[in-house]
Amino acid sequence: SQKIEQNSEALNIQEGKTATLTCNYTNYSPAYLQWYRQDPGRGPVFLLLIRENEKEKRKERLKVTFDTTLKQSLFHITASQPADSATYLCALDPSTGNQFYFGTGTSLTVIP
Amino acid sequence: DTAVSQTPKYLVTQMGNDKSIKCEQNLGHDTMYWYKQDSKKFLKIMFSYNNKELIINETVPNRFSPKSPDKAHLNLHINSLELGDSAVYFCASSPNQRGNQPQHFGDGTRLSIL
Repeated sequence: SQKIEQNSEALNIQEGKTATLTCNYTNYSPAYLQWYRQDPGRGPVFLLLIRENEKEKRKERLKVTFDTTLKQSLFHITASQPADSATYLCALDPSTGNQFYFGTGTSLTVIP
Repeated sequence: DTAVSQTPKYLVTQMGNDKSIKCEQNLGHDTMYWYKQDSKKFLKIMFSYNNKELIINETVPNRFSPKSPDKAHLNLHINSLELGDSAVYFCASSPNQRGNQPQHFGDGTRLSIL
């Protein structure tokens, strides 16, 4: 079956460290992969998009990598801050239709 | 100005009732979506409309009926509500239906069935 899995439901790290979140997928060949942030009681907010022919994308303290051989995307937050605490979702376009599939999400807590 | 707005924010009702959730976007986008987020925070697509036309219906029970009167609005009507319908429902929009466009989400409608 088709699946999008994100590493452990919850991740705790110390302020100032780099947080690394993973998104693994099976049975898809996505052309695009996106990352979103969701705060409690709010809708997801778009952060970054990476294309299948891009290895890496950066935006301020955020970095996304995309390895189509491993079927994996990594999402990094450098110099993490307590304000980065949220749930992070990956989403992909499976290239088989006009739809988006979301991963299971990782809840990140940055400890001061 | 809120880009994607949903009403109501909270909906508490009895099993068996019929209810509607409204969604409007002022971004000029062509594509709108309904998602369901369960208690484990898993976000699952239900429907997608492009220029008022239904393009995705992800094995959702017939009790759920979306309606798009124009491309800025996508409403969701639910008949004969069941306990399992309790969830947060999110509306979203994107410029088009391709995966290279970000989706803009509303803040959700929290539906609780008693």
